[in-house]
Amino acid sequence: GAVVSQHPSWVICKSGTSVKIECRSLDFQATTMFWYRQFPKQSLMLMATSNEGSKATYEQGVEKDKFLINHASLTLSTLTVTSAHPEDSSFYICSAGPRLGPLNNEQFFGPGTRLTVL
Amino acid sequence: RKEVEQDPGPFNVPEGATVAFNCTYSNSASQSFFWYRQDCRKEPKLLMSVYSSGNEDGRFTAQLNRASQYISLLIRDSKLSDSATYLCVVRGYFGNEKLTFGTGTRLTIIP
Repeated sequence: GAVVSQHPSWVICKSGTSVKIECRSLDFQATTMFWYRQFPKQSLMLMATSNEGSKATYEQGVEKDKFLINHASLTLSTLTVTSAHPEDSSFYICSAGPRLGPLNNEQFFGPGTRLTVL
Repeated sequence: RKEVEQDPGPFNVPEGATVAFNCTYSNSASQSFFWYRQDCRKEPKLLMSVYSSGNEDGRFTAQLNRASQYISLLIRDSKLSDSATYLCVVRGYFGNEKLTFGTGTRLTIIP
């Protein structure tokens, strides 16, 4: 159990367009979902923390109007990159956790979405 | 100073050798510690949690020294399949689920 999916797995778009990435916990409900970004040869950097039914909390330096997060249910969070530019090209990874229920402090990562903006 | 620091490597190690990675963290309030493994162009996967008492999982041994704010990972009898980037990860105080990742240490096992 504890599978997290992301869709799409990769996307290429033109500069100025918006891209939506979905993150789903397939077999569990997660209190919180997290969005990370990873540039080549760098580590994962947390962009925002998303709790179901409330506004996301963004890390310093991340523009909330550019990276829109919607967390409509305990199994789905979406990240929309608005007016994407080449510098937004990166590997976007979500994680979900902990699971509701008995104490479990592990986060489960989705497979990532590779975004290329031309 | 970075919150979590690791030697980026690369470490090129012959198959069968023992290799050790170290990591330091700056926030003394951190409560949970992990080693993740990340293969190229893939998501990170949990390798093991790290406890003060030390813990072992097969060929892998992790250790935490809270006084020195230092975490280690030892891999014995390394296999070709161990080639990956190893990420040191720290989580804050209870209720703060945010994970902070180190930059990772790249390991290549040489046949």
